[in-house]
Amino acid sequence: DTEVTQTPKHLVMGMTNKKSLKCEQHMGHRAMYWYKQKAKKPPELMFVYSYEKLSINESVPSRFSPECPNSSLLNLHLHALQPEDSALYLCASSQTGTANEKLFFGSGTQLSVL
Amino acid sequence: GQQVMQIPQYQHVQEGEDFTTYCNSSTTLSNIQWYKQRPGGHPVFLIQLVKSGEVKKQKRLTFQFGEAKKNSSLHITATQTTDVGTYFCAGPPGAQKLVFGQGTRLTINP
Repeated sequence: DTEVTQTPKHLVMGMTNKKSLKCEQHMGHRAMYWYKQKAKKPPELMFVYSYEKLSINESVPSRFSPECPNSSLLNLHLHALQPEDSALYLCASSQTGTANEKLFFGSGTQLSVL
Repeated sequence: GQQVMQIPQYQHVQEGEDFTTYCNSSTTLSNIQWYKQRPGGHPVFLIQLVKSGEVKKQKRLTFQFGEAKKNSSLHITATQTTDVGTYFCAGPPGAQKLVFGQGTRLTINP
């Protein structure tokens, strides 16, 4: 199984809502990532978890809160988002989290904030 | 911080023509990776280059890593409609993260 599964595929939320994005992988990878991708732009790294510990936070606003319950699961909790946060949110995984490993991406959650 | 610059931003070709995208880094890279993202899809890993001057081929795709390990290219011979998408290079400025180039969006006239 070389899949990274993300749910939901689409999400529309208001600025006062709280929602969560979920990501799961069963490849035995110990590193998981959240990327944000705006239309016609490259993916931008948000967070990296390595061995279930947060190892990189790219100065992401606190309205985005990551959580890694175990090495197979990654969540992104969303609260009080702004319309400019509308984007494709991609989860990825790799073996251990070093930058010489290839990333396996999920199909993403297309988020619209109204 | 480190930047990975990629050109061109867009490329439109006739089916059967060749295509090349170039990637340049401001610093030496330990490795460079290439990804393809189909329209409406997610990035998919194509290849990783590690050695100075390395050349790798995948069918009609040829990947090169420069001698100074600061630049790379992807060349597609005789493009097909299945090659449509955005091609990203990605290099690591640090031990744990990849920085993606801006991408080259390839469209093909059948």
